[in-house]
Amino acid sequence: KAGVTQTPRYLIKTRGQQVTLSCSPISGHRSVSWYQQTPGQGLQFLFEYFSETQRNKGNFPGRFSGRQFSNSRSEMNVSTLELGDSALYLCASSLAPGDRRGEAFFGQGTRLTVV
Amino acid sequence: GQSLEQPSEVTAVEGAIVQINCTYQTSGFYGLSWYQQHDGGAPTFLSYNALDGLEETGRFSSFLSRSDSYGYLLLQELQMKDSASYFCAVRTAGNKLTFGGGTRVLVKP
Repeated sequence: KAGVTQTPRYLIKTRGQQVTLSCSPISGHRSVSWYQQTPGQGLQFLFEYFSETQRNKGNFPGRFSGRQFSNSRSEMNVSTLELGDSALYLCASSLAPGDRRGEAFFGQGTRLTVV
Repeated sequence: GQSLEQPSEVTAVEGAIVQINCTYQTSGFYGLSWYQQHDGGAPTFLSYNALDGLEETGRFSSFLSRSDSYGYLLLQELQMKDSASYFCAVRTAGNKLTFGGGTRVLVKP
């Protein structure tokens, strides 16, 4: 079956702009989580969506937002971009919150560069 | 909050055994996961321990002691392709994962 698809793979934006990243989870998976990965901070949790509802939120400013659609696809948006937002943004899909197998499947990520 | 500690780097030769330890401090603990990430790639799920004990999947095994807030990943019969970063992650509410800083494993011939 197809894996997690993230688009675009690479993005270059200017400070102050906004960006929208997309994630299509594995078919049948209804839980989507987003993570930011940087060399300095590692992998950090942004938020988790299930059934179009945000269930958990990490410690990021309000400039970071997301949503999930009825088909489980998810988008995250970053407004007023800062240089420090340059990172690999990863999306992970799971069957459901609390799934006992504990597996999360990651997409290849979107590499965002802010200049 | 949550915090996880794991060594930053380990070097070993092909065929050897490597153990990556992970200690954590957290509330609302569901389980401990392990992920592998090659340079430029996505994290790949390796194992998950919700209960104390050892889980074995091929050459890789993972162990959890909830009372000690400790786990480890054991890589056996190391191969060159095992050179990668390995992350432990605590699973808390829902599917929220809090990751350790990662252990870079370098396998030498």
